[in-house]
Amino acid sequence: SQQGEEDPQALSIQEGENATMNCSYKTSINNLQWYRQNSGRGLVHLILIRSNEREKHSGRLRVTLDTSKKSSSLLITASRAADTASYFCATDPTSGSARQLTFGSGTQLTVLP
Amino acid sequence: NAGVTQTPKFQVLKTGQSMTLQCAQDMNHEYMSWYRQDPGMGLRLIHYSVGAGITDQGEVPNGYNVSRSTTEDFPLRLLSAAPSQTSVYFCASSYSMGQGFYEQYFGPGTRLTVT
Repeated sequence: SQQGEEDPQALSIQEGENATMNCSYKTSINNLQWYRQNSGRGLVHLILIRSNEREKHSGRLRVTLDTSKKSSSLLITASRAADTASYFCATDPTSGSARQLTFGSGTQLTVLP
Repeated sequence: NAGVTQTPKFQVLKTGQSMTLQCAQDMNHEYMSWYRQDPGMGLRLIHYSVGAGITDQGEVPNGYNVSRSTTEDFPLRLLSAAPSQTSVYFCASSYSMGQGFYEQYFGPGTRLTVT
């Protein structure tokens, strides 16, 4: 089952604009992570936010976490064509027998030059 | 460091054939896992391992076997390939901690087609 669900499924913006992607999940988590996947490549870790954190920054990335709403957002500021990729959230649930991250189905971001 | 390596990059199998997808990491990570990625879907966990000699099932384990004889290697075996196993397979590794995961390092993937 997929706990994390990204919204929107696809997003197209102009270079220089900001891109915001959202992730909703269902159960309590230890942390939430965001990954990027370029076409035909493996996933690359972007940022991890723990359940007791509300906001985290890394370069042009800003992640927020609202555990009361079970949601997270990823903001990419001043987007570039090289940011074109799929973005996935992954949740680390506090319960469950399997030690696993649960990935959402992703947001496909296209940044137009 | 080479990170996480996977071989082969591409494979075509006929229904009923068996094969092994190789995965190796040189970061001394305790945790390793195999995912499959199908179009329009996220990654689904097949099997995982928290250390040498210890493996467990994920969300979609049927039709696959794994073993972990060393910290570095975590091969995935397809016992009798079926068209439903056509997918892109990713191996990942990370440090393991008592509660919660560190970032996962992913291999480049193996694109498998079963005809």
